[in-house]
Amino acid sequence: GGIITQTPKFLIGQEGQKLTLKCQQNFNHDTMYWYRQDSGKGLRLIYYSITENDLQKGDLSEGYDASREKKSSFSLTVTSAQKNEMAVFLCASSRDRVAEQFFGPGTRLTVL
Amino acid sequence: AQSVTQPDARVTVSEGASLQLRCKYSYSATPYLFWYVQYPRQGLQLLLKYYSGDPVVQGVNSFEAEFSKSNSSFHLQKASVHWSDSAVYFCAASLLPGTGGYKVVFGSGTRLLVSP
Repeated sequence: GGIITQTPKFLIGQEGQKLTLKCQQNFNHDTMYWYRQDSGKGLRLIYYSITENDLQKGDLSEGYDASREKKSSFSLTVTSAQKNEMAVFLCASSRDRVAEQFFGPGTRLTVL
Repeated sequence: AQSVTQPDARVTVSEGASLQLRCKYSYSATPYLFWYVQYPRQGLQLLLKYYSGDPVVQGVNSFEAEFSKSNSSFHLQKASVHWSDSAVYFCAASLLPGTGGYKVVFGSGTRLLVSP
């Protein structure tokens, strides 16, 4: 088996601040994802990556940057934090783009 | 457009009762289909998946789902629920590249409450 680790678990920032969320996986999966989950809602895809150094925009990429410098890690940057994007950010990985995904526990973002 | 619909936002059942959570998909070809569960303050966990073959698939914790091509559905079922099954359940679908899409699409989720 494997595991997905997300750091930090809780992230508090000021409005307008640049914030970075990190994700590591040891499944040796090619594809990784970042989703945003607003309270009580479903998942919205922000970015995904099918291999090292690849980046693909999802439906919600505006206001975010991503980085995949290693196969095992995928970072997400909130370029200018806003109060209306307080949510849980979920990282996931999968063998390929259509296989089942494995999720991390999430990073909860609070913007003051 | 490709979509996954879970028509029931909330479902309440009594402990020991049977359960069906509904999922319908709209795709030009038969997608891969998944059910995930999310317990409070956790990520999603895979319950079961359907790629092809037998339309009834077994998953973890006695869950099963039935694929119906004619109804474009993939309903999740359990014969007897336990209070620990209270969670949010997501249906998801994906297609092979070259068949009109690659992206995994998640439904909006169904919150299940099992009452004592």
